[in-house]
Amino acid sequence: GDSVTQMEGPVTLSEEAFLTINCTYTATGYPSLFWYVQYPGEGLQLLLKATKADDKGSNKGFEATYRKETTSFHLEKGSVQVSDSAVYFCALGGGSARQLTFGSGTQLTVLP
Amino acid sequence: KAGVTQTPRYLIKTRGQQVTLSCSPISGHRSVSWYQQTPGQGLQFLFEYFSETQRNKGNFPGRFSGRQFSNSRSEMNVSTLELGDSALYLCASSLFRDNEQFFGPGTRLTVL
Repeated sequence: GDSVTQMEGPVTLSEEAFLTINCTYTATGYPSLFWYVQYPGEGLQLLLKATKADDKGSNKGFEATYRKETTSFHLEKGSVQVSDSAVYFCALGGGSARQLTFGSGTQLTVLP
Repeated sequence: KAGVTQTPRYLIKTRGQQVTLSCSPISGHRSVSWYQQTPGQGLQFLFEYFSETQRNKGNFPGRFSGRQFSNSRSEMNVSTLELGDSALYLCASSLFRDNEQFFGPGTRLTVL
């Protein structure tokens, strides 16, 4: 079945540091890939998405490129801020099943 | 446009009771999915409804059920509550049966 493997957390960075959160997937067919963010006490917010190979999703300074050859969708940001502190989830949809399949989440803490 | 709303936001029940959670999707969205989020199991898909019909179901016991009304609003019901049902229950809506899902803030269920 479909699965998502996500970089274990927690990750602690200083403000303005470079962020990478690794995500790899296993799926049949041609899934769409997503990054969701969850702030404390809230639901999930869609951060960015990519629907086909080599697509780059971007939003709020975050980027991720759909790499079919390495089955990866790593999240990057050049300069993190304290307000980026949250839990980040990688997800795939539209593989062998309709629903979203999530990774385990990565807790990011950014210190001033 | 208003987002996905879920009621109630917090709920405390005791073992053996039953509970009903409600979800109102974004206006115009016709598909509603439910997910359970726990620290141990992460985010797990419960079921998906589209046009008042359950289209997909995750690996949960029959105590978990749901329905969708003609206005696309959805409810999920859990009968004979167990301690392990304590979780954040997230509802997500999408325009049709596509993969870009928008999440509500969740209902935090505590079973004592």
